[in-house]
Amino acid sequence: QKEVEQNSGPLSVPEGAIASLNCTYSDRGSQSFFWYRQYSGKSPELIMSIYSNGDKEDGRFTAQLNKASQYVSLLIRDSQPSDSATYLCAVNLSNMLTFGGGTRLMVKP
Amino acid sequence: GAGVSQSPSNKVTEKGKDVELRCDPISGHTALYWYRQSLGQGLEFLIYFQGNSAPDKSGLPSDRFSAERTGGSVSTLTIQRTQQEDSAVYLCASSLPRATYGYTFGSGTRLTVV
Repeated sequence: QKEVEQNSGPLSVPEGAIASLNCTYSDRGSQSFFWYRQYSGKSPELIMSIYSNGDKEDGRFTAQLNKASQYVSLLIRDSQPSDSATYLCAVNLSNMLTFGGGTRLMVKP
Repeated sequence: GAGVSQSPSNKVTEKGKDVELRCDPISGHTALYWYRQSLGQGLEFLIYFQGNSAPDKSGLPSDRFSAERTGGSVSTLTIQRTQQEDSAVYLCASSLPRATYGYTFGSGTRLTVV
């Protein structure tokens, strides 16, 4: 079992819809969680961090964490074509980040 | 500096040659990480530095790969006798201790071995 798992996609949503990206992790001791966005040909960019159970909102982005279920998600409201990218979930394990394989999101006009 | 700086941004080398890739982390970031990303693939962990020491070298794919960090700052990743399968984007990232606030990535070095 991989330590951090994501569906590779592609996840295709129409413009204006909500995109829901999911991630599960194996280590119950993890304390911090991150979402990175990676455009094609570019390096990963940190877009959200979350440290406690519940929701954290930043603009159109909401990160959700459920430590009991070992589940973290990213919601993107009012999806735009410019949101089309690969989204990487990262979990802090032993003071280093372990990355999932990423979910490719396609937002169609 | 303001961000993680990597050089060169692109490198084309002939098979069998040695290459050096450089990473200059954010000032004050004591941890530094090297990753490799092949086209269409995920991040492959190579090596991690805390200060000048490398407690985790487990990801280096072969003994042709080595890395060092001097003065707790700049790091160099060296690939000896390059092979075509070494072609990839090499990404460097840095962080505060324990990666509490995540990593900041550089823009990467695209290595092509011909």
